[in-house]
Amino acid sequence: GESVGLHLPTLSVQEGDNSIINCAYSNSASDYFIWYKQESGKGPQFIIDIRSNMDKRQGQRVTVLLNKTVKHLSLQIAATQPGDSAVYFCAEKLGGGADGLTFGKGTHLIIQP
Amino acid sequence: DSGVTQTPKHLITATGQRVTLRCSPRSGDLSVYWYQQSLDQGLQFLIHYYNGEERAKGNILERFSAQQFPDLHSELNLSSLELGDSALYFCASSPRLQPNNSPLHFGNGTRLTVT
Repeated sequence: GESVGLHLPTLSVQEGDNSIINCAYSNSASDYFIWYKQESGKGPQFIIDIRSNMDKRQGQRVTVLLNKTVKHLSLQIAATQPGDSAVYFCAEKLGGGADGLTFGKGTHLIIQP
Repeated sequence: DSGVTQTPKHLITATGQRVTLRCSPRSGDLSVYWYQQSLDQGLQFLIHYYNGEERAKGNILERFSAQQFPDLHSELNLSSLELGDSALYFCASSPRLQPNNSPLHFGNGTRLTVT
């Protein structure tokens, strides 16, 4: 089974509101986490990353929070815009090894006008 | 634009056939990863090459193979194709052997349809 998963397959928010997308991971050995955005017909696009020695990291309109105690990752998008509509994936990297990233199944973010 | 180039964008072929997908990584990136994305399985890691050498295998079928050439571009070969092989195939690159500090950058994929 997958060690990374998302709680909700679809999230609908009003334009201008903040969005929060959640992700659970089960492998405590994971030391690097990334959020990707995938628009229709395109490949996953890097949004923001965080290492396991951090709890929070901010980017432009996005914030990633990492709670290692409960193995939970979240992506917060401020002032959601129509262009934020996409599928969002969290991904984890296990410490060591060359296997690349393990992805969750994704959450579809829908922006209501 | 991620800087990762994949060709072709679309590929339609029949069962039993063989196809080759091509990937050019970002300039300077030594690692190339291949992923398969289907509706029911999400993004599945297939194989990883670093500077011409295979470094890790994931859920890759024996009918599938890959290689990375001296110029660092990579090819994914899919043979004896089955209907279930229809999917999006993504290539991603990274500068290092292990992406512990830098994310993978993905191309826009090749959509394979097996009829």
